[in-house]
Amino acid sequence: NAGVTQTPKFRILKIGQSMTLQCAQDMNHNYMYWYRQDPGMGLKLIYYSVGAGITDKGEVPNGYNVSRSTTEDFPLRLELAAPSQTSVYFCASSPRDSVYEQYFGPGTRLTVT
Amino acid sequence: AQSVTQPDIHITVSEGASLELRCNYSYGATPYLFWYVQSPGQGLQLLLKYFSGDTLVQGIKGFEAEFKRSQSSFNLRKPSVHWSDAAEYFCAVEGTYKYIFGTGTRLKVLA
Repeated sequence: NAGVTQTPKFRILKIGQSMTLQCAQDMNHNYMYWYRQDPGMGLKLIYYSVGAGITDKGEVPNGYNVSRSTTEDFPLRLELAAPSQTSVYFCASSPRDSVYEQYFGPGTRLTVT
Repeated sequence: AQSVTQPDIHITVSEGASLELRCNYSYGATPYLFWYVQSPGQGLQLLLKYFSGDTLVQGIKGFEAEFKRSQSSFNLRKPSVHWSDAAEYFCAVEGTYKYIFGTGTRLKVLA
């Protein structure tokens, strides 16, 4: 199993551009999450999903959108990039029967200038 | 509201010394608690978790943590630190479907 994969690893965006961060998992997990990590701030939840077709906002959803059309994929969309969205983004997943243990991807480092 | 506090932003220990990383939580009921480790440039890896039962929990890489309800704490310990333990450590408490993370403690290990 590859586990949780994220692409790209690094990206530089100009203000106002849009992009999609990709996340996929091959463990058949129902629950998936997007976090952002800022220095000294820990991880903040952006969006999460409890299954295909079901998504909900986390702590810091503004400026982001998600979709979950399949169990495997959970892309995160930035529509109008802003410098405040410069961060490291982590995707995670957890299985239905162990919802409280999460498996993390390697992260995407995004810089908005 | 649930919250997690890690009071130490940085900790430096010598290789072979013992380690304790502090974590305090705020939660209305019996919490589910976790410790994760993040090596440089990597994602987070679960070290250990507490759901119920024995308050001393053993994890991977020789780590353990003790749940103390009276102190609202879940401190992480290791008897003898190795240079490869240099990383950032996050404590987390379970919320509905998701975690509440602390701000992390960065561990530096001196040779």
